Amino acid sequence: AQSVTQPDIHITVSEGASLELRCNYSYGATPYLFWYVQSPGQGLQLLLKYFSGDTLVQGIKGFEAEFKRSQSSFNLRKPSVHWSDAAEYFCAVVLNTGFQKLVFGTGTRLLVSP
Amino acid sequence: DTAVSQTPKYLVTQMGNDKSIKCEQNLGHDTMYWYKQDSKKFLKIMFSYNNKELIINETVPNRFSPKSPDKAHLNLHINSLELGDSAVYFCASSQGDPGDTQYFGPGTRLTVL
Repeated sequence: AQSVTQPDIHITVSEGASLELRCNYSYGATPYLFWYVQSPGQGLQLLLKYFSGDTLVQGIKGFEAEFKRSQSSFNLRKPSVHWSDAAEYFCAVVLNTGFQKLVFGTGTRLLVSP
Repeated sequence: DTAVSQTPKYLVTQMGNDKSIKCEQNLGHDTMYWYKQDSKKFLKIMFSYNNKELIINETVPNRFSPKSPDKAHLNLHINSLELGDSAVYFCASSQGDPGDTQYFGPGTRLTVL
């Protein structure tokens, strides 16, 4: 079945430590890939996206993600986490079907400890 | 100069009532969406309109009826509200191509008592 998996429901990271959030997809072809962030009580904001070209994508707020076709993964990374990064992170995909239907993973809640 | 706005932000109502949520975008986008986020934070698309025409209609009960009076507005009307309708509803907009960024509103938290 076609799906987007975020295996970690929540992750706790110390402030200043590095972060990696995992995302795997299960589709026949390479979809468009997105990472969105949802701060408490807020809507979603795009961090970065990938659909072709360089497999290492830079985003806002110091985030980056790497697309690995062989692993069907699109993991999100940040070298040094700030307390303000505490939020819910969603990986999402769009199949290239001619219109945009975002399919979200279940989300990973990031907690940042002092 | 909010890009995507929704009203109301909170909505508390009794079972069986009918309610509407309004959404407006000032980004000039052609496509608008409604998403439902349940209590476990799972986000699922409900509807999508492109230039006032319905293009995505997921398996949503027909008590939910979207209406797009123009391409800047997409309202969601819900009839005969049920307890299970309690959720946060997000409106979003984009230009509609597969790789485009979707811009989300702040959400409407609906509580059905």
